[in-house]
This record gives sequence, structure tokens and C-alpha cells, in this order.
Amino acid sequence: DGGITQSPKYLFRKEGQNVTLSCEQNLNHDAMYWYRQDPGQGLRLIYYSQIVNDFQKGDIAEGYSVSREKKESFPLTVTSAQKNPTAFYLCASSRTSGSLNEQFFGPGTRLTVL
Amino acid sequence: KNQVEQSPQSLIILEGKNCTLQCNYTVSPFSNLRWYKQDTGRGPVSLTIMTFSENTKSNGRYTATLDADTKQSSLHITASQLSDSASYICVVSAGREYGNKLVFGAGTILRVKS
Repeated sequence: DGGITQSPKYLFRKEGQNVTLSCEQNLNHDAMYWYRQDPGQGLRLIYYSQIVNDFQKGDIAEGYSVSREKKESFPLTVTSAQKNPTAFYLCASSRTSGSLNEQFFGPGTRLTVL
Repeated sequence: KNQVEQSPQSLIILEGKNCTLQCNYTVSPFSNLRWYKQDTGRGPVSLTIMTFSENTKSNGRYTATLDADTKQSSLHITASQLSDSASYICVVSAGREYGNKLVFGAGTILRVKS
């Protein structure tokens, strides 16, 4: 099956801990994205990567870090510096970063800080 | 400021009835507009994409309209089914000179009752 997978589906974190969310795609897409979704708000872009070994900050990058060592993988680390990390995190990919290219989304990871 | 406003916030209709969801945007310059369907706890899935020159586009029982002059779009759902219960998100893409940035609306939550 081609698609995007995210793991875990649910994640619980204690305050002060770093956690890493996994995102893998087998669509051979160049571009990958991380979004955060909060109730009553539109998706907000955290980081994006147009190509391997390159990534750019989105609108709300503070407290997050990413890496893009392989084309198919784009993990997101939520650090202890992120003040309010409880949210639904969505990973997406597209063939390129061009605007007409559809972004395909993974199933999401719900992160809860205890 | 680039914004996408959707109305209503939520809607309940009876199975078999039609409904129309609204999207107003201030994103400029405009490249294209997509409607996504997001089931609870899942990632969004694209329904339609419309560029500046397109007024109407259909995908089965979903019909999207675009008025680029008034910066308004609508999504009409015909003969609703229980499986249409979801959040519907309007997404507007700015032009290439703005990095093809996507601006997401907060979504309309639709519930179809039997």
C-alpha cells in the first residue's frame, strides 16, 4: 500500500521531556510537512522540507526540531521548550512543493502532556 | 493578513438532505483553493481543487464553486449520507512568490443524522 504512516497514534509526555513523532512515506514524494491542529483553529505549519537534507521553519517552529536524512522519513521532535505541546500533529507529503501538488496527509499523532 | 474564514462552525442535517458550506478568504495573491474532508481522528483528504479560472468543480455528490472576484467559495453536498459526517476544511494557496504557502480555515463540522 502506498501512503503516509505516522506513529504512534497516541503519545503521552511528562513535562520537561522531549518526544519524537515518526512520519514515513512510500510515495516517492520530495516534499514533506509537519502541521499542528488545535480545536477551532486551522492547521498551522511547523516545519517543511522540499528535499532531502534540507528543511525550513514554518509559522510555529519554536520548540520543535526536525531532520530529513532520508527521502521517505521526516521525524519531528517536540522539545521541552515547547510551552503548550498538547495537540494533534499531522504529517503530509507532496510530489514537489508546487502549489498545484496535492498534499497527502498521514493519520496523525495525538500528543498529550501530563 | 492572509485569512480563511469558514461558516457555519458546525451543522447538523438529516440524512438525504443537501447542505452548503461557505469559505471566505483574504489570501493574496491567489493560486488555488482546495476543499478537504477530515474524519474524526484522521488526516484530511482532498475533495476538489480549483484554480483562478474555474467556477465550478464536482466530485460525486460534492460540488465546489469559486468566485475569485468576491473571494468566496462554497461546497455543496447533495443527498447527504451518514458517512459525510466529518470536518470540511477550506485551504487557499498563495502564489509561488510567497512560497506556495497554504492558509487553512478552521473547518466546518458536519453531522448527518439518520
